Amino acid sequence: AQSVTQLDSQVPVFEEAPVELRCNYSSSVSVYLFWYVQYPNQGLQLLLKYLSGSTLVKGINGFEAEFNKSQTSFHLRKPSVHISDTAEYFCAVSDRGTGFQKLVFGTGTRLLVSP
Amino acid sequence: GAVVSQHPSRVICKSGTSVKIECRSLDFQATTMFWYRQFPKQSLMLMATSNEGSKATYEQGVEKDKFLINHASLTLSTLTVTSAHPEDSSFYICSAFPQTEAFFGQGTRLTVV
Repeated sequence: AQSVTQLDSQVPVFEEAPVELRCNYSSSVSVYLFWYVQYPNQGLQLLLKYLSGSTLVKGINGFEAEFNKSQTSFHLRKPSVHISDTAEYFCAVSDRGTGFQKLVFGTGTRLLVSP
Repeated sequence: GAVVSQHPSRVICKSGTSVKIECRSLDFQATTMFWYRQFPKQSLMLMATSNEGSKATYEQGVEKDKFLINHASLTLSTLTVTSAHPEDSSFYICSAFPQTEAFFGQGTRLTVV
C-alpha cells in the first residue's frame, strides 16, 4: 500500500528565510503528487500538483516543488516565507492506476514563521 | 476554482445522539465524494467513498453502521454519525474532484460531550 512520509512534524523559520518541507512516498509505480495547506479549523487548499511533464512544479503563494523519481521525493520549497505562511502542510499521493481521486496523506508539517 | 461547501462547520452533541454533516458541490456535479477524518495534529484518514446512487465504499476499520453515508444527488453527500460517543469527536472533511484536483470542504469540528 502507498504511504507518504513527512519527516519533519514542525519547521520553525524566520520571516523572509527560505524553507524546504520534505516529502517521500513509498510506491515505485507511477504516481500523482500534491501539496496542500491547511489553516486552523479549515479545509485543505491545493498549493501545487505534479501529474506529468516537468519535474519542477510551481504553485500558488510562491511555492514550488520538485518531483524526484529516483529518490521518490516531492519536497516543497519557498525562497522567502511570510508570517502568513504559518500553517499545516500536507503532502499527498495517488497511484495512477487507481486514479487521482484516492489520496494518501502524509502526517503533515507545521510551518511556524516568526518575525 | 470549484467550490465544495460543508455544513455545519462546528457541532456539539450529547453522547448517544446522531449528527448529520452535509457536503455540497456548488458549481459542479460530483458522482463521487470522499469523507476524511482528522484527529488533532494528525493527518487525514480516508473513511469512505460516497457514490451517487449506490452504496458507499468504506475503508478497512471504519464502521459502516456508525458512519452512514448517503449520496442522493450529484451535488450532495451526507455523513451521519450515529449514536455518537466522545471518541467520535474529530474533524471531518469531505472532498470532490471536478477534474484532476481535489477540492475540500471547510471541515466540521464534531465534539461529543
